[in-house]
Amino acid sequence: SQQGEEDPQALSIQEGENATMNCSYKTSINNLQWYRQNSGRGLVHLILIRSNEREKHSGRLRVTLDTSKKSSSLLITASRAADTASYFCAVMNYGGSQGNLIFGKGTKLSVKP
Amino acid sequence: NAGVTQTPKFQVLKTGQSMTLQCAQDMNHEYMSWYRQDPGMGLRLIHYSVGAGITDQGEVPNGYNVSRSTTEDFPLRLLSAAPSQTSVYFCASSYRGNEQFFGPGTRLTVL
Repeated sequence: SQQGEEDPQALSIQEGENATMNCSYKTSINNLQWYRQNSGRGLVHLILIRSNEREKHSGRLRVTLDTSKKSSSLLITASRAADTASYFCAVMNYGGSQGNLIFGKGTKLSVKP
Repeated sequence: NAGVTQTPKFQVLKTGQSMTLQCAQDMNHEYMSWYRQDPGMGLRLIHYSVGAGITDQGEVPNGYNVSRSTTEDFPLRLLSAAPSQTSVYFCASSYRGNEQFFGPGTRLTVL
């Protein structure tokens, strides 16, 4: 069964606005990762946050992790039309099969110019 | 580096046919995985491998076989194709479960 569940399923914003996507999961994790997928393409890794970290930044991306609530959020600041894509969270379970990521169903982000 | 490569990009099969999806990586990654992606379902893990000679089942392994004779290659075999296997298949590799590098995908249609 899928671990990460993203919310919302779809998000439409104007260029320049911030986009926030949330991910909830069920069990203890080793790390949580966010990926991006442009239509018809493979997934591209954005950021990895470990279970002992609370926040990470990468350019316009900010990821937070709350292990007590089993949730994570991805914030994209000052969005651009080129950010239009689907975004997936993926969790690696603590003590689980190494290298085994469980993906959520994704959030489809549309950024209008 | 070519990264993760997959062949073919597109394939149409008839029900009952068999075929092998090829996946190769040149990053010396130990971990390799196969996923399928269906509309509204996200990615689901089919099989994975943590090193040459070691494979294990993921969430949806039925109807698929894998082997890992070398670090570089991780082929996925469809034994007897069924319409339910119509999907986009992605191969990925990683170093010890960190960021995964994905191939471009194989779009498979089973008639």
